[in-house]
Amino acid sequence: EPEVTQTPSHQVTQMGQEVILRCVPISNHLYFYWYRQILGQKVEFLVSFYNNEISEKSEIFDDQFSVERPDGSNFTLKIRSTKLEDSAMYFCARKTGLGYEQYFGPGTRLTVT
Amino acid sequence: DQQVKQNSPSLSVQEGRISILNCDYTNSMFDYFLWYKKYPAEGPTFLISISSIKDKNEDGRFTVFLNKSAKHLSLHIVPSQPGDSAVYFCAASTAAGNKLTFGGGTRVLVKP
Repeated sequence: EPEVTQTPSHQVTQMGQEVILRCVPISNHLYFYWYRQILGQKVEFLVSFYNNEISEKSEIFDDQFSVERPDGSNFTLKIRSTKLEDSAMYFCARKTGLGYEQYFGPGTRLTVT
Repeated sequence: DQQVKQNSPSLSVQEGRISILNCDYTNSMFDYFLWYKKYPAEGPTFLISISSIKDKNEDGRFTVFLNKSAKHLSLHIVPSQPGDSAVYFCAASTAAGNKLTFGGGTRVLVKP
């Protein structure tokens, strides 16, 4: 299965700054997801995106977070005002319309100082 | 939120032997279970999955067993190879299939 690509691979930002993480699916899929993994902790679901709309979001995904697919290709996660506790690996995943398997990108390491 | 638990944080096994990874869940709405493998600085890679209507699924060296009454699943890797050294995550999905809930992972070290 082809993967998604994510940019940047590593982002360092200061607390309070906005960051945009990008995900580019290789092929045209309808279902997209963002997950994060804080160092030493579980992979946590953030949000799912289907047919250009949010279909589900977790408690973590508060008003500081937003997702969009601005050009029908890239899938972005924006954090408006980063906090120290947002430091984590952020993974984009995609799924075909069939099945439950999700395929993950390599992740973006976000470091908030 | 401990809906999916992997109680063994690490496992060490000799090359050629069997690796057995365990996973327990509490949410009876989970309908589909998956195992992912993760190397450092990479995203999780899908390995194998099983539907709740089955009790076993096999793919090459990897077999997943599901005991629905015990809310327990396991991943068997046989024979284990040094390249299998990674962190393995158990994940679960409800029938809606909208998100994965992950366990904490088990770090496997296969010694040559």
